Amino acid sequence: QKEVEQNSGPLSVPEGAIASLNCTYSDRGSQSFFWYRQYSGKSPELIMFIYSNGDKEDGRFTAQLNKASQYVSLLIRDSQPSDSATYLCAGGPLRGSSASKIIFGSGTRLSIRP
Amino acid sequence: NAGVTQTPKFQVLKTGQSMTLQCAQDMNHNSMYWYRQDPGMGLRLIYYSASEGTTDKGEVPNGYNVSRLNKREFSLRLESAAPSQTSVYFCASNLGTAYSYEQYFGPGTRLTVT
Repeated sequence: QKEVEQNSGPLSVPEGAIASLNCTYSDRGSQSFFWYRQYSGKSPELIMFIYSNGDKEDGRFTAQLNKASQYVSLLIRDSQPSDSATYLCAGGPLRGSSASKIIFGSGTRLSIRP
Repeated sequence: NAGVTQTPKFQVLKTGQSMTLQCAQDMNHNSMYWYRQDPGMGLRLIYYSASEGTTDKGEVPNGYNVSRLNKREFSLRLESAAPSQTSVYFCASNLGTAYSYEQYFGPGTRLTVT
């Protein structure tokens, strides 16, 4: 079982709606979380990171972390066709740890339909 | 700043041939990583270098070797290529401090082994 799990999708959302992407993790040692966006044929691009329980907002993106439930989500408000991509969730160590690896999920494919 | 660069962008090898993938970063990052990405498998860590002078195995190291040439450069070598090594290879780097785990990716190398 992978340590970071994502639904592979595709998730289809109408333009202008909220897209909700979810990720669960099995390692309670994971304490930092990252969301990457990857367009087809391109490299992953970091869009959000979150270390603390609760919500973190950046423009149209909101990351949510619930460590008790081992659950991370990414909300994309006012979805645009340019948001169509694969979104990778990743988990990393406790902030302040000397460990340097992060573990990636397999990604969720998001499609925004006009 | 160029960020993370990789060469070559594309490569076709015959089974048994060897090659080295090159990666360089100009962000003064301490840690560097090599991943492979296969359809439906997400990103899998091959090797990483937490700091100059150190290298460690990741999830799928068999068939690969690495060299951390200096702080900027981290190369990946395939000694005897096999069709199972057909994949997209990404190099990534991060600051490598105890409070920064975000990784930044290069554009990737698309390798086909026939």
